[in-house]
Amino acid sequence: EAGVAQSPRYKIIEKRQSVAFWCNPISGHATLYWYQQILGQGPKLLIQFQNNGVVDDSQLPKDRFSAERLKGVDSTLKIQPAKLEDSAVYLCASSLRQGVRGIENIQYFGAGTRLSVL
Amino acid sequence: TQLLEQSPQFLSIQEGENLTVYCNSSSVFSSLQWYRQEPGEGPVLLVTVVTGGEVKKLKRLTFQFGDARKDSSLHITAAQPGDTGLYLCAGYSGTYKYIFGTGTRLKVLA
Repeated sequence: EAGVAQSPRYKIIEKRQSVAFWCNPISGHATLYWYQQILGQGPKLLIQFQNNGVVDDSQLPKDRFSAERLKGVDSTLKIQPAKLEDSAVYLCASSLRQGVRGIENIQYFGAGTRLSVL
Repeated sequence: TQLLEQSPQFLSIQEGENLTVYCNSSSVFSSLQWYRQEPGEGPVLLVTVVTGGEVKKLKRLTFQFGDARKDSSLHITAAQPGDTGLYLCAGYSGTYKYIFGTGTRLKVLA
């Protein structure tokens, strides 16, 4: 079974520029997550989709970040304009479904996109 | 705001030594997961613990969930260089999202 695919793997941009990341989850997985991971820290949830609807985006800086999941499959995360503090790895994960106790929705992560904002 | 603090933050040990990593919170979680992440890769799930007091073993790794489901520990016996990586705990709050811990970076020297 193919894993979670993310592209690009690396991106270097100047501050105030725009950037977009793409994620293709595991086939059949209804739940998709975007995380931001600062170097050496744990991932922070930015946004969570259930099919093509948003479940949680409470930690998404909505003045500059946006995400969509058209047709409940692929997803894109966009930053516009980027700031220096956005330098991080952006991880996409998917799970089969949501569940009350967490055992029903094992997350599978992509390799991430490493963003450097200069 | 739910927080998961991990300790130690960094750990460098010799091959063959034992170690324990702690994951602590003031919040109760429905379940807790442990992941290992290697450079340039996403986290990979090691185990999920669900019941308070539960102990699970995965080869040389032993995971325990606290009785009150607020904390957890990971013990590695006879560490090997292949155990090197970033260890992350993640608590599931029941509001359909995971809260990740601050991470423990382990380096095992040959």
